Amino acid sequence: EIVLTQSPGTLSLSPGERAALSCRASQSLSSSYLAWYQQKPGQTPRILIYGVSNRATGIPDRFSGSGSGTNFTLTISRLEPEDFAVYFCQQYGNSPYTFGQGTKLEIK
Amino acid sequence: QVQLVQSGAEVNKPGASVKVSCKASGYTFTRYVIHWVRQAPGQRLEWMGSINADNGNTRYSQKFQGRVTITRDTSASAAYMELSSLRSEDTAVYYCARDGFRGSGWPYWGQGTLVTVSS
Repeated sequence: EIVLTQSPGTLSLSPGERAALSCRASQSLSSSYLAWYQQKPGQTPRILIYGVSNRATGIPDRFSGSGSGTNFTLTISRLEPEDFAVYFCQQYGNSPYTFGQGTKLEIK
Repeated sequence: QVQLVQSGAEVNKPGASVKVSCKASGYTFTRYVIHWVRQAPGQRLEWMGSINADNGNTRYSQKFQGRVTITRDTSASAAYMELSSLRSEDTAVYYCARDGFRGSGWPYWGQGTLVTVSS
């Protein structure tokens, strides 16, 4: 099973700042099937990025994904108030499909 | 538009079974895989298993093997997840999610079903 470890657990930033969230895999994701999701309290996960770096439909271009092998990053270039939420990474190329434990992005 | 609508919240006793439904609309049901994922309080999302809606082939997480059964009814465009021998640790929100097109992640999710296991 591929274990995904996200860091930091909590990130405190102000609107307008840049956020970088990390996701590390226990083994290389050869298929590049790595996604990022946003989840707000009481809501379902919303996909932001798939295939490491592809923005999902309707996702603003301030969200970007990068990385390869075992290290991946979600970057939010300029934080908007609606971006404060929990973010999960997911690998969906190898069963069992797994998720990271999440990074909470909170307003400083 | 694609929609996945799940059945309502459930309260079950330890040892019982629960069956959650996921009704799909807005696309051809048999063209995609449906996954089941759960989120226990304070825990990460956890994949339980999936079903190919076309041929009915299933794949399960080893953690739930023997306790979970995923089925589908193509005439109803619905998938089902049954979890047996419930215990308190199974208290969670259960989601169905649909594959995207050609490796585009899981862009569509049901609204979630809260399953509470309590005596």
